[in-house]
Amino acid sequence: DAKTTQPPSMDCAEGRAANLPCNHSTISGNEYVYWYRQIHSQGPQYIIHGLKNNETNEMASLIITEDRKSSTLILPHATLRDTAVYYCIVSSSNTGKLIFGQGTTLQVKP
Amino acid sequence: DTGVSQNPRHKITKRGQNVTFRCDPISEHNRLYWYRQTLGQGPEFLTYFQNEAQLEKSRLLSDRFSAERPKGSFSTLEIQRTEQGDSAMYLCASSLGGHTPYEQYFGPGTRLTVT
Repeated sequence: DAKTTQPPSMDCAEGRAANLPCNHSTISGNEYVYWYRQIHSQGPQYIIHGLKNNETNEMASLIITEDRKSSTLILPHATLRDTAVYYCIVSSSNTGKLIFGQGTTLQVKP
Repeated sequence: DTGVSQNPRHKITKRGQNVTFRCDPISEHNRLYWYRQTLGQGPEFLTYFQNEAQLEKSRLLSDRFSAERPKGSFSTLEIQRTEQGDSAMYLCASSLGGHTPYEQYFGPGTRLTVT
């Protein structure tokens, strides 16, 4: 079973920030938080990952709470092309296998 | 294009037939993963290889499924005696394994329809 909980769907206005929450209350010390997204009919795409500290790359920012029990993915200026299913995953680095949950369907509206 | 290719992209077969899918990972990636995704669900892990060694198999991978990665390069996933429940998208991903976290690069998938 997936070790994360995400809202099933969210809407966001184009140009605004999209904040996608994720709960991972049973995360272990050696597990990373990964975010992937899947645009319709394509394979999943890596977005970002983190362990304890907040992270930022060209696609998004990842905010992890101090107790590591939850995180938020931030898309700073959402576009219509960001409409996708977003998956929050916790995984150790031993095998690297990803256990996907249901994800959050983000609909960006004009 | 992530650099991971899968062939064929679509496969329609009749129940009871055997099918084989191929995945070509990014050349320097030593880890290769197979996942299965049914409609409306997230991908489910099936198996993974480090170089040519198959290190883990999910219980989802019944005896009718077999995967190989000869010489640690491309991989094949074969399903024997296909059933309608095998209809799904089969996804392949590759990554550079090691002690640090790393992202997986997914191919476009092979959509299997069993009639």
